[in-house]
Amino acid sequence: DARVTQTPRHKVTEMGQEVTMRCQPILGHNTVFWYRQTMMQGLELLAYFRNRAPLDDSGMPKDRFSAEMPDATLATLKIQPSEPRDSAVYFCASSRDRANTGELFFGEGSRLTVL
Amino acid sequence: AQSVTQPDIHITVSEGASLELRCNYSYGATPYLFWYVQSPGQGLQLLLKYFSGDTLVQGIKGFEAEFKRSQSSFNLRKPSVHWSDAAEYFCAVGNFGNEKLTFGTGTRLTIIP
Repeated sequence: DARVTQTPRHKVTEMGQEVTMRCQPILGHNTVFWYRQTMMQGLELLAYFRNRAPLDDSGMPKDRFSAEMPDATLATLKIQPSEPRDSAVYFCASSRDRANTGELFFGEGSRLTVL
Repeated sequence: AQSVTQPDIHITVSEGASLELRCNYSYGATPYLFWYVQSPGQGLQLLLKYFSGDTLVQGIKGFEAEFKRSQSSFNLRKPSVHWSDAAEYFCAVGNFGNEKLTFGTGTRLTIIP
């Protein structure tokens, strides 16, 4: 059963610490998205990649967030230094093709709490 | 810029009753429209989508949605809800050649016995 895998599922950290979230997209999917979900803002697109190349990271605070795809099976989202306002659920999603069939396959999310 | 409005934050429906969740979009050209569902602690799952053609689309779990261009709406319906339908529902808009989806703020559905 193909699925997007995210780690960690839960992370509690203190302000100022580095946080790295990882995502394994579904094998064969060439587009990977990072979304952030909060009660106040809902679902926000942070960044996305196609064929490992970053296409848009305009939704991401550049001073502290970075997103990469070291290889086709791994996407990372790093926050350094973390702040309490970064507390949210971070979702990774992948899709198969450029025609935008719209079927994004979401992982179960990484719930981040920054104290 | 495209945008999506889901005017109802929370809806409560009795089990077996019909359901309609509202979604209005703003987009200059013909949009691609989607409904996703999120169960507690889970990621989002696609329920249905509209690209073109028949304006009434069928999805999984007995859901359907109707695209009404004149009203800029894409409301989600189900004739008879089940307790397992309790979840958060998100409407989203996109367009061809652009994988970025814009999501609404979601509607939380509660089912009462």
